[in-house]
Amino acid sequence: QLRLQESGPGLVKPSETLSLTCSVSGGSISGTNYYWDWVRQPPGKGPQFIGSVFHNGDNFYNPSLKGRVVISVDTSKNQFSLNLTSVTAADTAVYYCARHLRTCVNVICHKFFDPWGPGTHVTVSS
Amino acid sequence: DIVLTQSPATLSVSPGEGATLTCRASQTVDRQLAWYRQRPGQAPRLLIYDASVRATGVPARFSGSGSGTEFTLTIGSLQSEDSAIYYCHQYNNWPTFGQGTKVEIK
Repeated sequence: QLRLQESGPGLVKPSETLSLTCSVSGGSISGTNYYWDWVRQPPGKGPQFIGSVFHNGDNFYNPSLKGRVVISVDTSKNQFSLNLTSVTAADTAVYYCARHLRTCVNVICHKFFDPWGPGTHVTVSS
Repeated sequence: DIVLTQSPATLSVSPGEGATLTCRASQTVDRQLAWYRQRPGQAPRLLIYDASVRATGVPARFSGSGSGTEFTLTIGSLQSEDSAIYYCHQYNNWPTFGQGTKVEIK
């Protein structure tokens, strides 16, 4: 059974970079037809899509995050990572990693997220 | 961005009763819509995708319908473990989620 687990600091200072890692077990990131995703959920709100990475490093990001996001993959460790720069209090949220099936080639298209990791809470505060 | 509006915000039902949750999209999403259940302190769990397809392991009392801009999630014979927040999610364009419907079991 595929399992995803987020890890990283629970507290980040304003203007600094938020860095999280998602470790995948029970299956391989390599050679599969899935995108690996980051989704966050601010307190009391619905989830918000951050971005996705494929095992070959292809990625795409939610335009609303305005160039602050980088998602990378390390197939040797079966992990993928999120870096979010210049954080503010508005970036305080539970951050989830997830997976979705790739159904398009050469164009960006999206699918439902399944499964999700349990999530990790990140607070942005000085 | 496509805005998803869920109603009602809160629903209180007795065990064994049914519930109908609605999700309206600000523009068509065809049938590219999923429903998730999120229990307190847990991650969302996929229930329905492509508007009406039950995910693996999801009980038959969960059903989804709709297309275009209006969708419903119907839960038959509610049980205590169904107390949660339910979110819709469209993936026809950049993914967006609704604000959720909280289902309370009396």
